[in-house]
Amino acid sequence: EAAVTQSPRSKVAVTGGKVTLSCHQTNNHDYMYWYRQDTGHGLRLIHYSYVADSTEKGDIPDGYKASRPSQENFSLILELASLSQTAVYFCASSRDSGNTLYFGEGSRLIVV
Amino acid sequence: QQQVRQSPQSLTVWEGETAILNCSYEDSTFDYFPWYRLFPGESPALLIAIRPVSNKKEDGRFTIFFNKREKKLSLHITDSQPGDSATYFCAASNQGGSAKLIFGEGTKLTVSS
Repeated sequence: EAAVTQSPRSKVAVTGGKVTLSCHQTNNHDYMYWYRQDTGHGLRLIHYSYVADSTEKGDIPDGYKASRPSQENFSLILELASLSQTAVYFCASSRDSGNTLYFGEGSRLIVV
Repeated sequence: QQQVRQSPQSLTVWEGETAILNCSYEDSTFDYFPWYRLFPGESPALLIAIRPVSNKKEDGRFTIFFNKREKKLSLHITDSQPGDSATYFCAASNQGGSAKLIFGEGTKLTVSS
């Protein structure tokens, strides 16, 4: 059974609309991450968190917010979706920094 | 600025050949280098990893060769199989530093039969 689950798996959003991507993990991991995948750019870190109620900026945080209401849940919020945010988004968890990342199956977002 | 670079962007080999995927990095404080593999429609998953205390790590048909002086590493896949077709990501982190794992752009490997 998948230990990191993402929802929705696929979404079409309109430009300027609000999008929330949710992630739930049952690994009992402290660290959670949001990455986006784009061809030619690999996986780029947007936000991460190492404890509930706290989030940290990754390498490309602009246009995104994150929320970690509990150890198990980590959300990525696009307040005003833009065309450039069309991508596949992966959530991941790890026991601590530098350890193996366990990824969800991705959320494909298309902004039109 | 891409701190971890991969080449080639795409690679096609015949079944049975050795595929060689290259990776280079900028930050000399990086001390952990995992490779993740992504099959279409699935989740990226850890394939093999190396730390600079050694210059080679082997796991079955997969071998990492590491050159600390040149800040380069490569993943060799021997006896390539069609089932190895996937995108391979090289990554790096400073385990004594932040939690951030920096990924390269990925190499899309196609193994033809």
